Amino acid sequence: QSALTQPASVSGSPGQSITISCTGTSSDVGGYNYVSWYQQHPGKAPKLMIYDVSNRPSGVSNRFSGSQSGNTASLTISGLQAEDEADYYCSSYPSSSTHVVFGGGTKVTVL
Amino acid sequence: QVQLQQWGAGLLTPSETLFLTCAVYGGSFSDYPWSWIRQSPGKGLEWIGEINHSGSTNYNPSLKSRVTMSVDTSKNQFSLNLKSVTAADTAVYYCARGRGTTLTTARAYDFDYWGQGTLVTVSS
Repeated sequence: QSALTQPASVSGSPGQSITISCTGTSSDVGGYNYVSWYQQHPGKAPKLMIYDVSNRPSGVSNRFSGSQSGNTASLTISGLQAEDEADYYCSSYPSSSTHVVFGGGTKVTVL
Repeated sequence: QVQLQQWGAGLLTPSETLFLTCAVYGGSFSDYPWSWIRQSPGKGLEWIGEINHSGSTNYNPSLKSRVTMSVDTSKNQFSLNLKSVTAADTAVYYCARGRGTTLTTARAYDFDYWGQGTLVTVSS
């Protein structure tokens, strides 16, 4: 059981926007800006898409954005494209922990 | 451009020792912590531990008794040793570079470059 809760799946049509939630507690997601998001295509390594809640690494499309409200972080993909179909994972660093923890992952399907 | 290339045995029998190595090409080896992370269908992504260029390590408490990491700065490589493996250790293992570190523990909390992954299967 993951420390961070994500929906198992989210779907949308091309061009639409979708949002993936990542729910934790005040000791992790809600307490620090250590929230990150990863995209993972089948058979590939995870790719960092968002760090520190809302920052994009160089080269990541601005269609990807991150935010946080209370104990829930969110990843929004706007202008959904076929290539966005993948698994997405959030992560955070709980104050009571000695290491980073990950969410269970969300499968994004482009209809 | 930073690249991580990893290798090691992919099929083990129970009680054997898993050994993986990750080579880092490009970028600074000494400026970042280097982690091992695994991914199994049952447990998702799990951080195993990290090491820095001086050999200082931090391990996941759940695996600490079986894990050892080492570093070879002359080759910009780091390695994972997991002893007494069982079927529960079957997973894809990744090496990764820590991008950000926490202010309190100085441990990595996200990862910007990853190896290609190694599927390790433990079966009798």
